[in-house]
Amino acid sequence: AQTVTQSQPEMSVQEAETVTLSCTYDTSESDYYLFWYKQPPSRQMILVIRQEAYKQQNATENRFSVNFQKAAKSFSLKISDSQLGDAAMYFCAYHYGQNFVFGPGTRLSVLP
Amino acid sequence: KAGVTQTPRYLIKTRGQQVTLSCSPISGHRSVSWYQQTPGQGLQFLFEYFSETQRNKGNFPGRFSGRQFSNSRSEMNVSTLELGDSALYLCASSSWTGHSYEQYFGPGTRLTVT
Repeated sequence: AQTVTQSQPEMSVQEAETVTLSCTYDTSESDYYLFWYKQPPSRQMILVIRQEAYKQQNATENRFSVNFQKAAKSFSLKISDSQLGDAAMYFCAYHYGQNFVFGPGTRLSVLP
Repeated sequence: KAGVTQTPRYLIKTRGQQVTLSCSPISGHRSVSWYQQTPGQGLQFLFEYFSETQRNKGNFPGRFSGRQFSNSRSEMNVSTLELGDSALYLCASSSWTGHSYEQYFGPGTRLTVT
């Protein structure tokens, strides 16, 4: 079964600084999708960024970018110029076929 | 385009009762998935519906059931509620656009069982 691991239960970053959240996954498939979701205290799950495994180029969405290492099965999220509104739980997720698996989450605090 | 909506947002029920939660997906999305989120177990997949058919099911007891209507709206039902069913229930709608898959979540229904 596919698994998603986020080894950092909690992280903190100073406002305007850069932080990287780690995610590793286990799969035997070659064509799948990876996502980062953000869940602020309001509890609304928000899609931050997605990556298709067949694409070698790392996805970027404004201040959010990923480092996708397919061979290492690693999918880290980099947040640049961190803002107070970035404080939330961040979930890494894997999707293949009808399987959608979430990691346990990383709680990110942003310090003013 | 309107997002995923879920009703009700909050619900308090007593052990033994049953509950029905509703989810309206994004227009054009035909797939609806349900998740249970608890502090101890994290996000767990319940089931997915596509074109009114259950396409995938997670590891939950038969007390958890769902259905999808022809307009893609979905309902989830939990019978004989237990205290451990207290959780945030998230609905997500998804679709394929070309080679890309997208999934968006609703705001959730917070269920408290007393």
